Amino acid sequence: EPEVTQTPSHQVTQMGQEVILRCVPISNHLYFYWYRQILGQKVEFLVSFYNNEISEKSEIFDDQFSVERPDGSNFTLKIRSTKLEDSAMYFCASSEARGANQPQHFGDGTRLSIL
Amino acid sequence: EDQVTQSPEALRLQEGESSSLNCSYTVSGLRGLFWYRQDPGKGPEFLFTLYSAGEEKEKERLKATLTKKESFLHITAPKPEDSATYLCAVQAYGSSNTGKLIFGQGTTLQVKP
Repeated sequence: EPEVTQTPSHQVTQMGQEVILRCVPISNHLYFYWYRQILGQKVEFLVSFYNNEISEKSEIFDDQFSVERPDGSNFTLKIRSTKLEDSAMYFCASSEARGANQPQHFGDGTRLSIL
Repeated sequence: EDQVTQSPEALRLQEGESSSLNCSYTVSGLRGLFWYRQDPGKGPEFLFTLYSAGEEKEKERLKATLTKKESFLHITAPKPEDSATYLCAVQAYGSSNTGKLIFGQGTTLQVKP
């Protein structure tokens, strides 16, 4: 069964450094998402992406964050200058369409630890 | 504000002991309600989508139901392998209409043999 792949599984970074989290969505999917989950808290929406542009972003997704689809298969999340509070699990998801009849499929996440 | 609340936060069952998990939601207009299963260290795994009140979906020992204000995930005769965190999420109609999911905090189920 096709799946969403995320790398790395764990990233440890010094505060203030840039980090790029990578995702390979399911190949025929057109809609891409990033979510994050701080330890012990809810999964939170960060951003949705379609047709090479951001469709919606949350309040969390400030100027330090950016997303990109650099080629036909990868979808990346960049954090320019990391803060301690960016430590979380980051999940990538993709779906064939944005409607509820096409559920989002999630990767296994990247655990980001900021020191 | 769109919101999802799940209860209980944690549930311990003996193998074979049936129970239900609750997901209460407040949204401007429900496009869909989703149930996911999450194992430790893994991403959410899709289980069901429900669209309208009265709808039911089943998969093995799991059955999801939906009313206008809440959804239940019924677990019949659970086995230890059903132990996981069960997440409820809603997708709402809105001006952005981008597919954003709003999650509850989850119910962590432990089934003892």
